[in-house]
Amino acid sequence: AQTVTQSQPEMSVQEAETVTLSCTYDTSESDYYLFWYKQPPSRQMILVIRQEAYKQQNATENRFSVNFQKAAKSFSLKISDSQLGDAAMYFCAYRSGSGNTPLVFGKGTRLSVIA
Amino acid sequence: GAVVSQHPSRVICKSGTSVKIECRSLDFQATTMFWYRQFPKKSLMLMATSNEGSKATYEQGVEKDKFLINHASLTLSTLTVTSAHPEDSSFYICSASSGSRGYTFGSGTRLTVV
Repeated sequence: AQTVTQSQPEMSVQEAETVTLSCTYDTSESDYYLFWYKQPPSRQMILVIRQEAYKQQNATENRFSVNFQKAAKSFSLKISDSQLGDAAMYFCAYRSGSGNTPLVFGKGTRLSVIA
Repeated sequence: GAVVSQHPSRVICKSGTSVKIECRSLDFQATTMFWYRQFPKKSLMLMATSNEGSKATYEQGVEKDKFLINHASLTLSTLTVTSAHPEDSSFYICSASSGSRGYTFGSGTRLTVV
């Protein structure tokens, strides 16, 4: 079974600075997708960024980028120019590439942004 | 973009009663719906997967007779918590998949059983 590990329960960052959230995963599959979701206090799950395993290029969405190291099974999220609105729980998630399979979530990292 | 409407957002019920939670995909057809449960400050735990027109597949440890899932149409899936008890109090979230669209989450339901 696939597992997702987030080793940082909590992180903090100064406003306008950069922070990196760690995520590792374990799988024997070659076709899969990786995601970072943000869950603010409203608890609505918001997709931050998505990476297809077959793509070597790291995904980027504005201030959010990932460092996808397939061989190491690592998928970290970098948030640049952190803003107060970035404060939230961040979940790393894995999905098998075949069919409509559920997301497997890590335990999450709570990010605080300090003004 | 794709939207999943989940209702109610909050519900308080008495122990022993049943509660129904609805998730509707508003602008797309959800072939598969995933139901998650989230405890405070914890991650999302998959409860079951339902495909339209089929019986739901429950994860190990989830009581299928307590958590009834119906996915009778491509736009509506429901989760009914039957004979609710205080330990069923939690945050329940649905997530709809329609293949190419990826996943869209409902806004969640906070259930409190008193």
